[in-house]
Amino acid sequence: AQSVTQPDIHITVSEGASLELRCNYSYGATPYLFWYVQSPGQGLQLLLKYFSGDTLVQGIKGFEAEFKRSQSSFNLRKPSVHWSDAAEYFCAVGARSGGSNYKLTFGKGTLLTVNP
Amino acid sequence: EAGVVQSPRYKIIEKKQPVAFWCNPISGHNTLYWYRQNLGQGPELLIRYENEEAVDDSQLPKDRFSAERLKGVDSTLKIQPAELGDSAVYLCASSLDNARGDGYTFGSGTRLTVV
Repeated sequence: AQSVTQPDIHITVSEGASLELRCNYSYGATPYLFWYVQSPGQGLQLLLKYFSGDTLVQGIKGFEAEFKRSQSSFNLRKPSVHWSDAAEYFCAVGARSGGSNYKLTFGKGTLLTVNP
Repeated sequence: EAGVVQSPRYKIIEKKQPVAFWCNPISGHNTLYWYRQNLGQGPELLIRYENEEAVDDSQLPKDRFSAERLKGVDSTLKIQPAELGDSAVYLCASSLDNARGDGYTFGSGTRLTVV
């Protein structure tokens, strides 16, 4: 079964600083990988996704992520954080889970605080 | 285009009482999901529908939870009776299909508090 680990429960950065959120996955084959963002009281919004090809993927709001197969990682980055980026970020892996079932498994999330 | 609509947004009930959540997916999305998100955790799948058929309900606690998706559109998730441990945010999502796990649109969720 697939699993996702987000090692950092809470990260605080200053506005304008760079950001990297870590994500490690466990799955026997190449998974589909996603990053979602959740603002307070809101549903999850897809930031970016990786299926195949170029291992550096660009997403919305200036975010990017890099897939590293050797490290089973899919870290999220942003060169300059804005106060509006404060939210909870979830990494997810999509993979087959029994027969034709396809399942999206989420990590526990990383809460991002942005200081002015 | 309207997103995934869930109601109510908040619900507070006493333990052992029943509760129901409603979800209206995006028009044309034939796959519908119910997730439960406990405090400080990521969402966990409870049940997935393809049209009106529940095709993955392996994580649904069937002794107290039930769900239905009439006519393959709206869906209702019910808990009877509720327990203290059911306090969580219940998220509904929909997608065109379940092929790769992308294209999910999530609703804002229903925050359930059982006292």
